[in-house]
Amino acid sequence: DVKVTQSSRYLVKRTGEKVFLECVQDMDHENMFWYRQDPGLGLRLIYFSYDVKMKEKGDIPEGYSVSREKKERFSLILESASTNQTSMYLCASRPWSSGRDTGELFFGEGSRLTVL
Amino acid sequence: SQQGEEDPQALSIQEGENATMNCSYKTSINNLQWYRQNSGRGLVHLILIRSNEREKHSGRLRVTLDTSKKSSSLLITASRAADTASYFCATALSNDYKLSFGAGTTVTVRA
Repeated sequence: DVKVTQSSRYLVKRTGEKVFLECVQDMDHENMFWYRQDPGLGLRLIYFSYDVKMKEKGDIPEGYSVSREKKERFSLILESASTNQTSMYLCASRPWSSGRDTGELFFGEGSRLTVL
Repeated sequence: SQQGEEDPQALSIQEGENATMNCSYKTSINNLQWYRQNSGRGLVHLILIRSNEREKHSGRLRVTLDTSKKSSSLLITASRAADTASYFCATALSNDYKLSFGAGTTVTVRA
């Protein structure tokens, strides 16, 4: 089975802190994604990476950056956490997609971040 | 951006009953996918239906797609308590890496 592991299920940080959310997948997937989930808003795409060292902005990249140095690991970075970044963060991965056949995503269990 | 919208927002049914939820979207799609999320957990893929398909089944799940109306429905038959979860539709555009998700339908199955 595909396993997508997010390093922390729950985090509490203070405003202004730098926050790292780590995601590791074990199925050699090329594509990886970071979403945030807020009540009533569904999942919104922050960043995605279609291969190592490649990244593209999603719909809400402001205040976030990402790193993909190795194929299995995709990190989300909050440079200076703010209270409006309190949310559930979901990482997902998928085998390479040509874009003409976008297949299913495999999700991690989520990281619930609270910024005080 | 492209986004599905699920209807209703919430649904409460008795065990054994069927549950139906709908998804509408705005522009032409390559495929549409349904996911389930148990409380506080990640999403799990249920079923994918391509734009040239009209109906698909998987166990107790039945998905329909009407591209002329830009809508899809997910039917869960003979519901069980374990079906209590949020259900999301996600749309994939042609030549796009991204999936766009709706806000979800919360289903509660009462014993």
